[in-house]
Amino acid sequence: EADIYQTPRYLVIGTGKKITLECSQTMGHDKMYWYQQDPGMELHLIHYSYGVNSTEKGDLSSESTVSRIRTEHFPLTLESARPSHTSQYLCASSGAGGPREQFFGPGTRLTVL
Amino acid sequence: GENVEQHPSTLSVQEGDSAVIKCTYSDSASNYFPWYKQELGKGPQLIIDIRSNVGEKKDQRIAVTLNKTAKHFSLHITETQPEDSAVYFCAASTDGNQFYFGTGTSLTVIP
Repeated sequence: EADIYQTPRYLVIGTGKKITLECSQTMGHDKMYWYQQDPGMELHLIHYSYGVNSTEKGDLSSESTVSRIRTEHFPLTLESARPSHTSQYLCASSGAGGPREQFFGPGTRLTVL
Repeated sequence: GENVEQHPSTLSVQEGDSAVIKCTYSDSASNYFPWYKQELGKGPQLIIDIRSNVGEKKDQRIAVTLNKTAKHFSLHITETQPEDSAVYFCAASTDGNQFYFGTGTSLTVIP
């Protein structure tokens, strides 16, 4: 079982609210990722990080922001939630070096009313 | 960027039969090809991966083949069991910073 955690697991919130989705891993991994998974199940990369103080945007345009102040923590923030943000958000991590296995958290199901 | 296509989108097999899922990729620089299994309510979990310097890899009932020339790779599951029912994703990466996923295959194994 991978040691990567996401909270909350489910969130229902009204339009305009600021929300932060938490992601933590205890494996000491340098790389962390946020994916949005749509109802058709396809995974889209929205943010990734090589390590502390590094963040990059993925291919899917997103109004969210991320930060990486500590190796183990990679929170995602939506300043003003909208119904179009309703989705499943998955956090993942992997070790340093070349491409290798990603470990995924259980996901956060976000519903914006 | 990379484009990964995956077929079929749904697959039903009888228990004990084999299942095959196919993916193609567009970027010849991609060199790492993992397969993930996602069960309901959980995040994806790696089941097997292959690198571009290998043509085939096997782990018990699961095997993956890679054809670099044709830019396609396939997942083979033999002697399927009901617990194999899940959504399967292929992916491709060049540097481990970005992974490009296929659209997923929902596999149902009928007892």
